[in-house]
Amino acid sequence: GENVEQHPSTLSVQEGDSAVIKCTYSDSASNYFPWYKQELGKRPQLIIDIRSNVGEKKDQRIAVTLNKTAKHFSLHITETQPEDSAVYFCAASTTGGSYIPTFGRGTSLIVHP
Amino acid sequence: DGGITQSPKYLFRKEGQNVTLSCEQNLNHDAMYWYRQDPGQGLRLIYYSQIVNDFQKGDIAEGYSVSREKKESFPLTVTSAQKNPTAFYLCASSVLSAGGSEQYFGPGTRLTVT
Repeated sequence: GENVEQHPSTLSVQEGDSAVIKCTYSDSASNYFPWYKQELGKRPQLIIDIRSNVGEKKDQRIAVTLNKTAKHFSLHITETQPEDSAVYFCAASTTGGSYIPTFGRGTSLIVHP
Repeated sequence: DGGITQSPKYLFRKEGQNVTLSCEQNLNHDAMYWYRQDPGQGLRLIYYSQIVNDFQKGDIAEGYSVSREKKESFPLTVTSAQKNPTAFYLCASSVLSAGGSEQYFGPGTRLTVT
């Protein structure tokens, strides 16, 4: 089955800096890669996703890049703000089977004012 | 008000008791999922269902059971056979899509077993 590795587990930055979270996946058939943000005590919510026919996608201060050859994808947050502090999860899912996503273990992002 | 709901938010049980967690959605989603969240472990899949009256085991199904009698409802029972049941439980739903689709999560139930 699919295996998703996510790094780092904790990321501490100063307000205004950029943050990058990286994920690798094992199944070359995976073709959908969402990112979820979970604020403390709240439910995970989708913030951005990318499909395998696209190399990069941006939405204001966040962007996701995908390298299919290397089987890795990354979340980039620019001009970080304290409200970006949360746990971020990457996931990968494939059309070959049940479409069930496999999640990474999460990255705790702390943005210091 | 559309969405996915879970109840209760907090649940306390004595060891050896079965307990059922509720999950309801009015998004008309075919697929529903149960995840367990422990610190540093990410989201681990317990069970999922893609159609009424059918469900499949996930990665950590031992000690859990589910039912899917209605499209809107997917309750999870934590049985006394689950060795370490104290955790945060998240229910989710999604459309079924060959290209993959967003999962919508409920607010979660924090279960404490003593």
